[in-house]
Order: sequence, then structure tokens, then C-alpha cells
Amino acid sequence: GENVEQHPSTLSVQEGDSAVIKCTYSDSASNYFPWYKQELGKGPQLIIDIRSNVGEKKDQRIAVTLNKTAKHFSLHITETQPEDSAVYFCAAFMFSGGYNKLIFGAGTRLAVHP
Amino acid sequence: NAGVTQTPKFRVLKTGQSMTLLCAQDMNHEYMYWYRQDPGMGLRLIHYSVGEGTTAKGEVPDGYNVSRLKKQNFLLGLESAAPSQTSVYFCASSGETIRRSNTDTQYFGPGTRLTVL
Repeated sequence: GENVEQHPSTLSVQEGDSAVIKCTYSDSASNYFPWYKQELGKGPQLIIDIRSNVGEKKDQRIAVTLNKTAKHFSLHITETQPEDSAVYFCAAFMFSGGYNKLIFGAGTRLAVHP
Repeated sequence: NAGVTQTPKFRVLKTGQSMTLLCAQDMNHEYMYWYRQDPGMGLRLIHYSVGEGTTAKGEVPDGYNVSRLKKQNFLLGLESAAPSQTSVYFCASSGETIRRSNTDTQYFGPGTRLTVL
């Protein structure tokens, strides 16, 4: 069935290092890929998204790349800071079970150590 | 704007009890969603609505019912709670009226942590 796989499940980096989270999706018709950051006790918040007509999008220290041929997309965080510590979810918008929906990855817990 | 709000924030139920979770949004969004979040499983869609008076089943609808009597509110009901429904529930909304595209950004509420004993 339709799914999104996300790796790694946990990621630990030193402050200032880069962090990369990767996701693969199953439906080649997917055309919208958001990334969410979830801090402890809060709801997911959109941090960046990309649509299938572009290959890369950047917003300050975060960037997302999309490879539609390989059906994978990645989140890149540069110059990480302790406040980047959170759980990150990727998602892919796809048609499944008769309706359009966002399919979420299982999440990556990022820890940035000072 | 408050965005998406959810009540209550926490709730403990006994097996067989019923309850309703309330979601409200003040962004004039057409689409609203209910998700559950379980450890290691990301977010799974329970039910959704594409407009006032409409509801539809998502990925894991069994044991839940929903209603969208007003555009700004989306209610999730558990008629007879079971321990398997212990989870964190998130409401989300998307789609300003003028665009009506459900690939628009989904905005999430802060969640309701439900424990069923």
C-alpha cells in the first residue's frame, strides 16, 4: 500500500553540525511534500514544503531536496542549534483509498547537543 | 488569530465511556482533519471533512464518529472507548475558501492526550 518511510528514527548531532533526514514514498503521482517539526507537548508545525515542480527549496538554515525519479526527498538542517531538537515528520500527499490525503513518515527524533 | 485549538488537553476515560473532542479553527479553512499519533507510527488520519456538513472516513475510522455542523468546528466522538484508543489526537485544518485545494498546508492544533483504562 501507499506509505512513506523515514530514516533515521533517531539522530544525534553536535551543535553547529548538519543534520539530514531522508524519506521515500511509494506513489509516483505524489506532488506535495511537507516537513513538520514537533516539539514536546505540541502539535506538528510546518517548517518547509516542496512541490513536484521544483527539485530544491531553501529557507535560511533548512532546505529540502526532491528526487521524483527515485521517489525520495530529504530535509537538510545546517548549523544546528539546541532549539532544533525535536521530532521531525515528512509527509507525502497522495491519492489512496479513494481520497486525497497526507501520508506521514514515522518521525525522526533529532537531538542537538551543545 | 488563535489558529487551531483543541479541547480538552488531557482526558482519562474508563473502558466503555464516551466523550467528544472539540476542534475549532479561526482561519476560515474548508478542510478539517482528525489524526491520532502513536509511538513509532507517525500520524494516521481518522476522519476528515471537506466542508461544512460533510465528513468522510480516513485510514483508521473504526470506533470514532465525527460531525461538522459549523465550518469552524470539527468534533470527534468516541461512543464506547477502548484501551486501543489511548493516543494523542490532533486536529488540523487547511484550504482557505478562495483556493479550495487540499494540497494546501495543514495547520495542527496542540493535541489531546487521551488515556483509556
